[in-house]
Amino acid sequence: QVQLVESGGGVVQPGRSLRLSCAASGFPFSSYGIHWVRQAPGKGLEWVGSISYDGSNKYYADFVKGRFTISRDNSKNTLYLQLNSLRADDTALYYCAKSFYSSFDIWGQGTMVTVSS
Amino acid sequence: QSALAQPASVSGSPGQSITISCTGTSNDVGAYNLVSWYQQHPGKAPKLLIYEVNKRPSGVSDRFSGSKSGNTASLTISGLQADDEADYYCCSHAHITVVFGGGTKVTVL
Repeated sequence: QVQLVESGGGVVQPGRSLRLSCAASGFPFSSYGIHWVRQAPGKGLEWVGSISYDGSNKYYADFVKGRFTISRDNSKNTLYLQLNSLRADDTALYYCAKSFYSSFDIWGQGTMVTVSS
Repeated sequence: QSALAQPASVSGSPGQSITISCTGTSNDVGAYNLVSWYQQHPGKAPKLLIYEVNKRPSGVSDRFSGSKSGNTASLTISGLQADDEADYYCCSHAHITVVFGGGTKVTVL
């Protein structure tokens, strides 16, 4: 079964850090780029960033401004999103999504990050 | 990276056709044939409906079709059904980044 499963979300204070994980199964993980997309409560989808199949290329949305880092461990079929200097407006459901011809064909169920004091 | 412009809501009766527009710029929608569309039901993850402007992934109904003219892409849903009531998002690549539309809520009357 092809799937992505996110984990690591939770409640964190402003300025603190959190690391999200995305475990892949059912497809050759090391052959595909993966993206992170977030959705604030009641709002639309917002692209966060992406990493190439081998981890050599990483791209980020402007709002990340060096605060977030995407990495992957192909030996563990796992993607990571390191979130630093978190702000209240980073509160969102964070999805990982598999690349498919410049679109996203497989999405996880998301992991919720709440930034609050 | 401004969000692509979509109408906030579109409605139609069962069996009718509706079209959702997605307006970008010459740096995103107009520059690349890399527009995709997603359907999202409440509490669920998005589902890919259309990629590369007008291609449907395996398993997606042919009632969904996509097109593009200049800086505006469109999603047409024909033969509207109750289960089509959901939020719809367009998406485009913009060089090395990606931008989504603000989303359109489709209501089946």
